[in-house]
Amino acid sequence: EAGVAQSPRYKIIEKRQSVAFWCNPISGHATLYWYQQILGQGPKLLIQFQNNGVVDDSQLPKDRFSAERLKGVDSTLKIQPAKLEDSAVYLCASSRAIAVSYNEQFFGPGTRLTVL
Amino acid sequence: DAKTTQPPSMDCAEGRAANLPCNHSTISGNEYVYWYRQIHSQGPQYIIHGLKNNETNEMASLIITEDRKSSTLILPHATLRDTAVYYCIVRSSGNTGKLIFGQGTTLQVKP
Repeated sequence: EAGVAQSPRYKIIEKRQSVAFWCNPISGHATLYWYQQILGQGPKLLIQFQNNGVVDDSQLPKDRFSAERLKGVDSTLKIQPAKLEDSAVYLCASSRAIAVSYNEQFFGPGTRLTVL
Repeated sequence: DAKTTQPPSMDCAEGRAANLPCNHSTISGNEYVYWYRQIHSQGPQYIIHGLKNNETNEMASLIITEDRKSSTLILPHATLRDTAVYYCIVRSSGNTGKLIFGQGTTLQVKP
């Protein structure tokens, strides 16, 4: 089966500009996650969707970050305006559902954002 | 979810077994141990998970101590392609599925 697709792979912007990332999860996967990974650290969950509803966005900086998942399939993560500290890799992942005991998440290759 | 402690880095000779330890002394009864790895410039990849019993799949084996306070991921015959950051994660069966990643262990497989 095709994996999680993300675009673009790389993006360079200046601070205060806006940027958007796109994710297409594995077909049939109900749950979609966006993670932020700063260099040298493990990924940190920003937002989680179950179908097109938000399950967890407790770590999302809502004053500048927004995300949507239209029709429960593709998702877009936006940053507006960007700050220097937003430089990171943004990873999208998907899983079949929020299973009770088993939840293998499949990750995309990520988008590397550099804010100058 | 319980926190985990892993050594920041380890080396292993190619062809030998790589044993990656993880301490999760505050784990509770309904929490699973998951292992993911992240090869450079790629997204994390699921390896294996377990609750109480030892587990084995085509990638690795997971050994969980009887008191469940620690575990070891074993790559039986490490190759250069196994060089990666390995994350040990403890996840409750009742949570939203969120994975809380720590710093992980950087495994360097050397020829």
